[in-house]
Amino acid sequence: QVQLQESGPGLVKPSETLSLTCAVSGYSISSGYYWGWIRQTPGKGLEWLGGIYHSGSTYYNPSLKSRVAISVDTSKNQLTLKLSSVTAADTAVYYCARVGSYYGSGTYYLRYFDYWGQGTLVTVSS
Amino acid sequence: QSALTQPASVSGSPGQSITISCTGTSSDVGGYNYVSWYQQHPGKAPKLMIYDVSNRPSGVSNRFSGSKSGNTASLTISGLQAEDEADYYCSSYTSSSTLHVVFGGGTKLTVL
Repeated sequence: QVQLQESGPGLVKPSETLSLTCAVSGYSISSGYYWGWIRQTPGKGLEWLGGIYHSGSTYYNPSLKSRVAISVDTSKNQLTLKLSSVTAADTAVYYCARVGSYYGSGTYYLRYFDYWGQGTLVTVSS
Repeated sequence: QSALTQPASVSGSPGQSITISCTGTSSDVGGYNYVSWYQQHPGKAPKLMIYDVSNRPSGVSNRFSGSKSGNTASLTISGLQAEDEADYYCSSYTSSSTLHVVFGGGTKLTVL
């Protein structure tokens, strides 16, 4: 059974960097699949932040511009999210998820999210 | 404002059928068969219910079905049960910019 578990600080100060880890069990990241981060706020619903393939190929939400970075550590079977220069608007529940995809014409078509972590609430406040 | 448009709420009585719509554009819902639907109960993570427009993952009840016509996808739940009361979100691949994934704003299903 594939399981994902997010972890990290629940409180981050404005202008600092939010850093979360997603530990994956029951499946080796190196075996394939895309892996992504999604957040949920009361006002904006679900928002795709970005994702990464085990090879390191990444896709990011352009609305986050250069603030977001996602990496994968295959030796620890985990992925990491870093979001810099946070503001109150970044307060949300953050989820990691496995992403079903299809590769064709040089593009990963991200099709669905089949396994999710339980989510972790991150509050941005001084 | 979400990229995909869903009704804010729908309701139905036990045993009835309901349909939730998800409207996008030719860059997402209309252009690809990569629409998925998620069920979310309060305080829980979303759960995949339908993928690739109309496919059910193993373990999902056959009371849940998906379809698509043009730029609008639909989730139908037949034989409504109390446990179906939840929020439902649609999602689609998008070729718009480098976003790749868009979500709907969510629909609150109330079982009367």
